[in-house]
Amino acid sequence: GAGVSQSPRYKVAKRGQDVALRCDPISGHVSLFWYQQALGQGPEFLTYFQNEAQLDKSGLPSDRFFAERPEGSVSTLKIQRTQQEDSAVYLCASSRDRGVETQYFGPGTRLLVL
Amino acid sequence: QKEVEQNSGPLSVPEGAIASLNCTYSDRGSQSFFWYRQYSGKSPELIMFIYSNGDKEDGRFTAQLNKASQYVSLLIRDSQPSDSATYLCAVSSGSARQLTFGSGTQLTVLP
Repeated sequence: GAGVSQSPRYKVAKRGQDVALRCDPISGHVSLFWYQQALGQGPEFLTYFQNEAQLDKSGLPSDRFFAERPEGSVSTLKIQRTQQEDSAVYLCASSRDRGVETQYFGPGTRLLVL
Repeated sequence: QKEVEQNSGPLSVPEGAIASLNCTYSDRGSQSFFWYRQYSGKSPELIMFIYSNGDKEDGRFTAQLNKASQYVSLLIRDSQPSDSATYLCAVSSGSARQLTFGSGTQLTVLP
C-alpha cells in the first residue's frame, strides 16, 4: 500500500512568515510522530499523536510550533514567525499502533528560512 | 552527554568486507532498538529492530544487543557499494515510544 506522504517536499520561507507542513500517514495507522532533522544530525522528536489526541509535545522547541491531527488521520505542523534556526528537514512517521513500535517515515519536508 | 551515541565516521570498507557499526545508549530502561539506513537526501528506512539480548540475523544484516553494557551494533556482511549510506541507531523511549536517534555513522563501501 501507499507509504507516508508529506507536502510540500521543499519550502522556502522568508524570516517571519508562517508555514504549514502536511503529513498523510499510512492508512489505518494510529500513531503519528513529527521529527526535526538538522543537517548532519539524527532526527529529533517533536510531538506524538495517538489518533486525534496529541499525547506528547515535549519536543516542540518553542510556542511558535503547533501541530494538529483533527480527524485522526492527516496531520499538520505549523510554524509561526519562522526563524533561520527553523531550517531543517521535518519528518513525519506513523506506526500501526502504540504497542507496535516500528515507525515508517515519510520523505520529509525540507524547510529553508531566509 | 547524548542519550544515543554513535561514531560519526566516516567508515570506509572494501566491497565484500564486513562493516561494523556501533551504538551506545544511556537509558537503562530502554527496551527497543532500531537501525535505520538513510541515503543522502532521503528519509530513514528501517533495516532491523531488536528487543532481546543477543544476535538477530536478517539476510546480510546482524543486529547485536547487550543491555548490560547498553550497547547495540549492526554488522553488514558482504558489503556492497549500494550499502553506502548513513546508518542511524534509534532507541524507543518515553511514554509515546518516540525514537531517540544517534547522529548516525556514514558508511562508504569502496568498489
